[in-house]
Amino acid sequence: DAGITQSPRHKVTETGTPVTLRCHQTENHRYMYWYRQDPGHGLRLIHYSYGVKDTDKGEVSDGYSVSRSKTEDFLLTLESATSSQTSVYFCAIRPQVYSGNTIYFGEGSWLTVV
Amino acid sequence: DQQVKQNSPSLSVQEGRISILNCDYTNSMFDYFLWYKKYPAEGPTFLISISSIKDKNEDGRFTVFLNKSAKHLSLHIVPSQPGDSAVYFCAASSPGAGSYQLTFGKGTKLSVIP
Repeated sequence: DAGITQSPRHKVTETGTPVTLRCHQTENHRYMYWYRQDPGHGLRLIHYSYGVKDTDKGEVSDGYSVSRSKTEDFLLTLESATSSQTSVYFCAIRPQVYSGNTIYFGEGSWLTVV
Repeated sequence: DQQVKQNSPSLSVQEGRISILNCDYTNSMFDYFLWYKKYPAEGPTFLISISSIKDKNEDGRFTVFLNKSAKHLSLHIVPSQPGDSAVYFCAASSPGAGSYQLTFGKGTKLSVIP
């Protein structure tokens, strides 16, 4: 158990609407990540954070923004949802205690854009 | 440009036999490799990892082999059990990767037949 709570777990939204996914952790982890998983693509990094207000882009960041105003919450926002953003979104953390480069994932948020 | 490749989308194995999942990489800077297992509707879970200073790491029924000269790693599961049926992702990171980012392959779906 990575101690991560993702919300909402499932959401259906309309094209053009903004959507925010929340990742919440209670163990003071510094590093947090947002990945998306799509058939034929595996897991791809969207954005990551290395501290409060410290974020950076990943491989597939276009159309997404993130915010981290406090350690425990990492928010992923789709500014104007498109059908290509229908996906499963996973938040992940890297533990404070040394774990090599191992990261641990949350349960996922299923997003459908219609 | 896919830096981590899992060329077999699927694999079927009889219960009790060995499962071998393969992964190739192109980035010679990768120095840490991981395998994750994912069941449907759940987040990926960490399975086993290996540092580039080793060529083998074992954990119970799971063994990962690393061949640096061939840029190839494999995951062996012996004996395979029906509960091992899942999608397996290979991942890699490099020392210069910002914030311990992982690059994932597309995954291999393992089916263990009772």
